[in-house]
Amino acid sequence: DTGVSQDPRHKITKRGQNVTFRCDPISEHNRLYWYRQTLGQGPEFLTYFQNEAQLEKSRLLSDRFSAERPKGSFSTLEIQRTEQGDSAMYLCASSFWGLAGVGIQYFGAGTRLSVL
Amino acid sequence: QKEVEQNSGPLSVPEGAIASLNCTYSDRGSQSFFWYRQYSGKSPELIMFIYSNGDKEDGRFTAQLNKASQYVSLLIRDSQPSDSATYLCAVMAGGTSYGKLTFGQGTILTVHP
Repeated sequence: DTGVSQDPRHKITKRGQNVTFRCDPISEHNRLYWYRQTLGQGPEFLTYFQNEAQLEKSRLLSDRFSAERPKGSFSTLEIQRTEQGDSAMYLCASSFWGLAGVGIQYFGAGTRLSVL
Repeated sequence: QKEVEQNSGPLSVPEGAIASLNCTYSDRGSQSFFWYRQYSGKSPELIMFIYSNGDKEDGRFTAQLNKASQYVSLLIRDSQPSDSATYLCAVMAGGTSYGKLTFGQGTILTVHP
């Protein structure tokens, strides 16, 4: 399978617990994006990396959220002290960014988080 | 005003008809425009992208872009029940945020036999 892989697919946690999600991008892609999607809404940008550098983080993103891409390959998204409002689908996407092309983003299957 | 707005749905069309989906955006610096399809419980799947004014056709799908009017549309000809899904318009920012996608809220399309 050469697509974007996300793990776990579902996560149920209690309020106040920390959770971590993993994303493995398409191997030749140098950009990796995280989005969050709630029911009835389009995906909302959270952050993105080019190789291992985090280039932008949404202003809406609380300090409880942190993301890393330590070796420029897979990425993790951690949410500390989860709240019920964090319940959503967390989507990862990857693309190749270069001098040419539009950098089409391909999405993984997502991780559905439920905070009880 | 939302950055990316799509026509309110849900949209229901009979099988074989043309479905028309519309999207407007506020950032004049936007570079590229995408249409994704999302089935219930699944992740977005790219249908088409467009970055030049005019029309772009791919099979039953036609994307139209008018940068002066800040308007993007998607036409689906000969609609099939399998086209029933949520259609997401996404706009790629320019400048320092190049690459970041801003999505509309989606339009739910139902194609009934």
